This record gives sequence, C-alpha cells and structure tokens, in this order.
Amino acid sequence: QVQLQESGPGLVKPSQTLSLTCTVSGASISGGGHYWSWIRQHPGKGLEWIGYIYYSGTTYYNPSLESRVTISVDTSENQFSLKLSSVTAADTAVYYCARDCCGSGDYFDYWGQGTLVTVSS
Amino acid sequence: EIVLTQSPGTLSLSPGERATLSCRASESISSSYLVWYQQKPGQAPRLLVYAASSRATGIPDRFSGSGSGTDFTLTISRLEPEDFAVYYCQQYGSSPLTFGGGTKVEIK
Repeated sequence: QVQLQESGPGLVKPSQTLSLTCTVSGASISGGGHYWSWIRQHPGKGLEWIGYIYYSGTTYYNPSLESRVTISVDTSENQFSLKLSSVTAADTAVYYCARDCCGSGDYFDYWGQGTLVTVSS
Repeated sequence: EIVLTQSPGTLSLSPGERATLSCRASESISSSYLVWYQQKPGQAPRLLVYAASSRATGIPDRFSGSGSGTDFTLTISRLEPEDFAVYYCQQYGSSPLTFGGGTKVEIK
C-alpha cells in the first residue's frame, strides 16, 4: 500500500521560507512512472496545485507560485520536498503531498494526510 | 488557466435521495480529462471518478460521472450516510492543473 507522509514546521514567520518533506513508502520514487506533487488547501477553501517533480528531477510549477517555489527529490531517502519562499499570511494552508496516477501529471490517487502550516510572527 | 465552477455550493439532501453535482469549465477540457474527489473533514481528498466517467478502484456504483467539453456532472444515485462530504472536480487537460471550488453535500 502506497503511503505518503508530510513533515515540517507548523509555524513559519512572514518573509521566511516554508520547507516541507514528503516521505513515501510502499512505492519507489526512483522506479519512475509517477509524478510527485504538492497541493495546498487554504482554511475552509478549495485546493490549489503547487507543482510536481519526476524522479529525474524534472519539475513543473503552477505559474501563480513559480517565482517562489522549489520542489526537489531525494531518491536515496524516497522523499521529495517543497520550499516556498517569502511567505505571507496568504500562504497559511494545509499542505498535501500526492502521487499522480499514471505518470502524465494528471490526477492524484494517493495523498498524504496533510499538514497545516501557519504563517505568523 | 482553466477555471472550474462547481454548483451548487451546498446541496441539502436526505439519505436515500439522489444528488446531482455540476462542474463547468471556462473552456473545453480535452479528452474529458476531468476527475472527481470526495473530501471529509480532516481528511485528504479521495479519488472517485477519472476521465469524467470511470469509477476509481473500490468506489461504489452509486457514484457516476458524465459529461464532456465544458459541462460535467457527478451523480450519487442514493445517498448513504457516509456520502455527506465535500466534492471537488479537477481538470488535467491543460496546465496548470486546477480544481473547482467544491460542493458540500449536507444532511437535510
């Protein structure tokens, strides 16, 4: 069974960088065949795709966040990570990591449980 | 980017009733690349339907998806108590991937 687990600070100060890691079990990132995504959900709101990465390091980002986002992969640890710079209160959200179904960056069949990140001084 | 508009915002129904949820796209979605998710409080979304009308593994047949182009529908034929939740559509026909704002199905 594929499982994803987000980890990282739950509180980040404004203007700093938000950093999260997703640890994958039950599947090998280096095996290919899937893109690995970050998605966020503002409190009480809908979902926003942030971007994804392939095991080779190829990335695609949402243009609305591209200037502040970096997604990286560590295949030796079977993890991928998110960095979001210059955060403001508007970046307060639950952040999910997820796996795309079929390797085309399409839709998501496995999700982490999500982690709430609050941006506040 | 493709904007997805879901309606209604809230649907108040009783168990056993039929639910019809709408997802309208700002432009045509190629190859019906649209999915539906269910989300319950405190949980991650769960995939229900992909490619507009194909049920994901393990999803009961009371859930069905239909539509093409710009208009898509998720139908729950007879609501079970566990079906009361928020439902989101998502398109993967063009980048960036986008989600609808959600429809909450609540108990009347």
